[in-house]
Amino acid sequence: SQQGEEDPQALSIQEGENATMNCSYKTSINNLQWYRQNSGRGLVHLILIRSNEREKHSGRLRVTLDTSKKSSSLLITASRAADTASYFCATGNAGNNRKLIWGLGTSLAVNP
Amino acid sequence: EAEVAQSPRYKITEKSQAVAFWCDPISGHATLYWYRQILGQGPELLVQFQDESVVDDSQLPKDRFSAERLKGVDSTLKIQPAELGDSAMYLCASSPREAGETQYFGPGTRLLVL
Repeated sequence: SQQGEEDPQALSIQEGENATMNCSYKTSINNLQWYRQNSGRGLVHLILIRSNEREKHSGRLRVTLDTSKKSSSLLITASRAADTASYFCATGNAGNNRKLIWGLGTSLAVNP
Repeated sequence: EAEVAQSPRYKITEKSQAVAFWCDPISGHATLYWYRQILGQGPELLVQFQDESVVDDSQLPKDRFSAERLKGVDSTLKIQPAELGDSAMYLCASSPREAGETQYFGPGTRLLVL
């Protein structure tokens, strides 16, 4: 079952622009994670934000979490062609055997 | 850097045949996950192991799918018989026993059933 819903489903931008993706979820969470998947490959963990955190940074990535709205956003600043990939949010619930519930993903194309 | 290994990377089979996928998690990782990912969708958990024990196989189609992790290290996922609808990417991931919320994925096995 899918919990997260990312929007937009697809995003196309020029190199150097910022990319913002959003994720909404339905149930209470312990943490929310963002992963990247290059075409035909496995997923790579980008960042984890806990339910008591509101914002987190990692390099060119900025993640926000609003538990009152059950939503999160991922901002990639100064995008590069190498950022072209699909981005997924996944939510983890406390005491749920670390099971992650995944969204459908946002497909990002960064044009050189 | 330690990685999750999967084989084969690609598999083409005919419906009604048996297929098997292998996964070797990062050394020392206690938790191992098998996911199925249909093109354009997010991963769907098929089975989760903690050491050699299954902790979640609620979404595993048990009439045709089986998974084992006999010694709590590497794992095999089997489909018998394969159906056309099984065509998908099969992903393996692992996570450490402590602070194990983050999952580390292998490159996946792309299955095409003809």
